[in-house]
Amino acid sequence: DTEVTQTPKHLVMGMTNKKSLKCEQHMGHRAMYWYKQKAKKPPELMFVYSYEKLSINESVPSRFSPECPNSSLLNLHLHALQPEDSALYLCASSLLPGGLSGYTFGSGTRLTVV
Amino acid sequence: GIQVEQSPPDLILQEGANSTLRCNFSDSVNNLQWFHQNPWGQLINLFYIPSGTKQNGRLSATTVATERYSLLYISSSQTTDSGVYFCAVDNYGQNFVFGPGTRLSVLP
Repeated sequence: DTEVTQTPKHLVMGMTNKKSLKCEQHMGHRAMYWYKQKAKKPPELMFVYSYEKLSINESVPSRFSPECPNSSLLNLHLHALQPEDSALYLCASSLLPGGLSGYTFGSGTRLTVV
Repeated sequence: GIQVEQSPPDLILQEGANSTLRCNFSDSVNNLQWFHQNPWGQLINLFYIPSGTKQNGRLSATTVATERYSLLYISSSQTTDSGVYFCAVDNYGQNFVFGPGTRLSVLP
């Protein structure tokens, strides 16, 4: 298995809803990442998990809450989002922190906040 | 932090034409990748190339790490090559930084 799988592919949520994005990989990678991509912009890093521990939080608002229950799974819990949070959310993994052997990205969750 | 520039920002080609995309970066890197983002948003890894030259079919890439640039060559372009091409680098940290991208349109 050489893939990063993200679910759901599309999500529409209201500003008072609570939802979660899920990311899974079975490549034995020990670092996992969340990126946010707005339209016509490059992806921007949100969080880094190294060996299941949060190692980087790029000043992301607390309405985004990451969780890494095990080495294969990464979640992003969403609560009280704003319309400007609508974006493509990408998950990535790398064999080791620092991505020496490269990063593998999932196909993303396209989130719309109404 | 490290800065990444890509040129050109936009490129329109006729099917069958060749093109060269450029990525400049401001510091030494331990990781450089080229990605193609398709219209559905998926980032497809083209090359992991922190240095040297690689080829994969109609695509090839060269990174000259000492001069801090990388080139992506697309030969005999096809309409399916359309999309955004990103260069991304990591300089021994854990922040994989993307360039602004080159938007390619290949016309039939």
